[in-house]
Amino acid sequence: DGGITQSPKYLFRKEGQNVTLSCEQNLNHDAMYWYRQDPGQGLRLIYYSQIVNDFQKGDIAEGYSVSREKKESFPLTVTSAQKNPTAFYLCASSIDRNYGYTFGSGTRLTVV
Amino acid sequence: KQEVTQIPAALSVPEGENLVLNCSFTDSAIYNLQWFRQDPGKGLTSLLLIQSSQREQTSGRLNASLDKSSGRSTLYIAASQPGDSATYLCAVNKAAGNKLTFGGGTRVLVKP
Repeated sequence: DGGITQSPKYLFRKEGQNVTLSCEQNLNHDAMYWYRQDPGQGLRLIYYSQIVNDFQKGDIAEGYSVSREKKESFPLTVTSAQKNPTAFYLCASSIDRNYGYTFGSGTRLTVV
Repeated sequence: KQEVTQIPAALSVPEGENLVLNCSFTDSAIYNLQWFRQDPGKGLTSLLLIQSSQREQTSGRLNASLDKSSGRSTLYIAASQPGDSATYLCAVNKAAGNKLTFGGGTRVLVKP
């Protein structure tokens, strides 16, 4: 079955540590996205990539970094510069905007 | 800047009643609008995608309408069931680019 796989499901980060969230898709979609969701709020766009080796900042990119070396993979690194990283992170992809977005099951990141 | 609003933020209905969920957006220059369902702690599941040229889309008990000129979309769920309890999110894809802007969601509880 085609879909998006996010791992891990739960992640704990110590103060000052960088952590990387994985997002893999086998849908052959060109575009991939990272969103952050905080309790009671809508999703906010962190980074997106329309093609391999290219990505753009979204609305809240500070403290995050990404790479897009393969079509299937779009990992997100939460750096120590992100002062409030505790949130639910969602990865999405789309083949093109005529067909809408598909989302992964999310990673919950908690600072300990 | 596109802003998407969903009112009410929460809604409780008895089983069997029809649900009406509202979504409004400030910029009518949209490409399409997508409705999602989110269960607690889970990712987003796509329900319906309406292109800007369409007035409505239907899938089973779900019907979504779009009035682009007035910046509104409504999701109707007929004969609600306890399994419909979830948060429902609408998202707008603007005419330029391929990025979604989300509303804050409506949390629905269907009481048996």
